[in-house]
Order: sequence, then structure tokens, then C-alpha cells
Amino acid sequence: DAKTTQPTSMDCAEGRAANLPCNHSTISGNEYVYWYRQIHSQGPQYIIHGLKNNETNEMASLIITEDRKSSTLILPHATLRDTAVYYCIVRVAVQGGKLIFGQGTELSVKP
Amino acid sequence: GAVVSQHPSWVICKSGTSVKIECRSLDFQATTMFWYRQFPKQSLMLMATSNEGSKATYEQGVEKDKFLINHASLTLSTLTVTSAHPEDSSFYICSARGTGFHEQYFGPGTRLTVT
Repeated sequence: DAKTTQPTSMDCAEGRAANLPCNHSTISGNEYVYWYRQIHSQGPQYIIHGLKNNETNEMASLIITEDRKSSTLILPHATLRDTAVYYCIVRVAVQGGKLIFGQGTELSVKP
Repeated sequence: GAVVSQHPSWVICKSGTSVKIECRSLDFQATTMFWYRQFPKQSLMLMATSNEGSKATYEQGVEKDKFLINHASLTLSTLTVTSAHPEDSSFYICSARGTGFHEQYFGPGTRLTVT
């Protein structure tokens, strides 16, 4: 599975949009981009995934560049409860595909 | 999303004893389950993958005789840490995937402390 690169930490003001970047320059054509987050001392929570097209759900939007070498997770109106470590992971969507976690981005939402 | 539970949520045991952690998918059938370990201030590390009714596949560097994994049914997987030592103290998290290739859900984790 391709590796990803994320900033170690980011701050965001409450109520503003949080834009979390992820670089996956070695992504293969059949690999999807997944985003998870982990609030302190809890199990990771699924946020969103995509292959080529931009995706949006009730939690976030995922913007994938045309060459698929990077993506951005957007939390449109960050709240204090969005403070967490956000992981960007790429993997093949097959039965044996594994989620391999990198270091992630520690997002701090401040009042 | 689907619910994955773990039991116990925390456990303290003496060095040399064994500890069993249960992972259950509550509202879906988990064809594949994964076990992760997380040390403080670090990311999750995949330990092993198990398919129902099959032997687990361990990641490189994970001792299969020390971390026994059983996935006997489509809703239950267990991780047994045998002859635990203080360095095994960690946060153990299970994850379950159903028949879809995308959906993978995580349990709340089990905090193991070995004294």
C-alpha cells in the first residue's frame, strides 16, 4: 500500500473550516483514499473515502487532485469536538486490503 | 455506522499471566477482523488479520505464539496475550470488516497494564 505524508499538527478556530492535506504521490490506480480520526483514548472513527471524484457526506468533504497524488479533507465548520488525530490512508479495496496507519495530523480546534 | 465492542475496556494483570480480549461485531457479520496495538503518543500498529474460520495472518515482527488470535465466528474474535510482560502494556484495538470492501469499523479499545 502507498504511504502518505501529513503535517504533524494543525490549529483551527472554532466555526471555521479545517482543511487537512495529505500527500500520496505513489498511489496506485486501484487504491482508494480513506480518512479516519481518533479522539484521545478511543478507537478510530471512519470519516470518508474516495477514489477519483470529490466526495461529501454529513461529516466532511474529500477533495482529490486530478493526478490523485494528494487530497484534502475539509471539515466545514469545525467544533471543539473535532479535536483529534486525523489519519489519511490509501489502500486497495479488496478483501485482504489492510488499513496501515501513519502518524496522522493532530488537529486542535480552539475557541 | 456499525458497532464493534471490546471487552474488557481495561485490564490490569500480573507479569507472567495471560489475558484474553474479546471483540464483537454487534450488528453485522465480520468476515475479516484486525487487531492493532497503540503505544502512548504513537500511531496504531497492525498486529494481525484474521478471517472467520481461518488462521490469523501476523504482521512481521509480531510473535504469533505470544498473541493468540481466534476468529471462531462471524461476530467474535479474541486476542490472548500469553505470558504477559510489562512491555506488553498497551492499548489494543480491534477492527471489523463486513462483506463490503470499504466499510471497516473499530472497537473502543482495551487498555492493558501488566505489573
